[in-house]
Amino acid sequence: EVHLLESGGGLVQPGGSLRLSCACSGFTFNNHAMNWVRQAPGKGLEWVASISASGGRTHLADPVKGRFTISRDNSNHTLFLQINNLTAEDTAIYFCAQSPPSSPMLTLAFWGQGSLVTVSP
Amino acid sequence: FMLTQPHSVSESPGMTVTISCTRSSGSIDSNYVQWYQQRPGTSLITVIYEDHQRPSGVPDRFSGSIDSPSNSASLTISGLRTEDEADYYCQSYDGTSRVFGGGTRLTVL
Repeated sequence: EVHLLESGGGLVQPGGSLRLSCACSGFTFNNHAMNWVRQAPGKGLEWVASISASGGRTHLADPVKGRFTISRDNSNHTLFLQINNLTAEDTAIYFCAQSPPSSPMLTLAFWGQGSLVTVSP
Repeated sequence: FMLTQPHSVSESPGMTVTISCTRSSGSIDSNYVQWYQQRPGTSLITVIYEDHQRPSGVPDRFSGSIDSPSNSASLTISGLRTEDEADYYCQSYDGTSRVFGGGTRLTVL
């Protein structure tokens, strides 16, 4: 059974940094592209970042370019999202999501439970 | 491009409901459309991928389709159950963007 478990969220001051992690199990991690999607309180979904199975290719949404970095550790089956220079607009639940091999970095097959990031003074 | 969904729909148990997702530019059939379900206070599950494919474990009451003339995709749920009450999001992409629709709140009353 596919299992994605996010961690690392919390309360951060504006301008601060955070690193989210997503521990993955139940599938061959290095065969799948992985993604981060966020959801602001009471709002819809926003695609944030994607990384290829090997880690050699990444894609970031325009609003986060220059501040967010996606990376992965295939040896430890873990996905990361480094978030810098946080603003109130970054307050959201951040979901880790797996892409199917048939459409890597473009569609989502399985989702984690999410990690809440709150940016406030 | 944008994907536009109705804000909300409602239907009675046992009936059939269809949720639309209209693409603003580019052809709806040029890139796959997915549908995700989010029950209140929970995470998401994929109910349809690649336009009409259903993941294992998703009931066959859920189906997806594409309509090129209207440049839209649809999610149809038949035999509605109270457990189907949730937010549903469509999603597609192009060469540079991965886009979600705004979501549709399905009420089963």
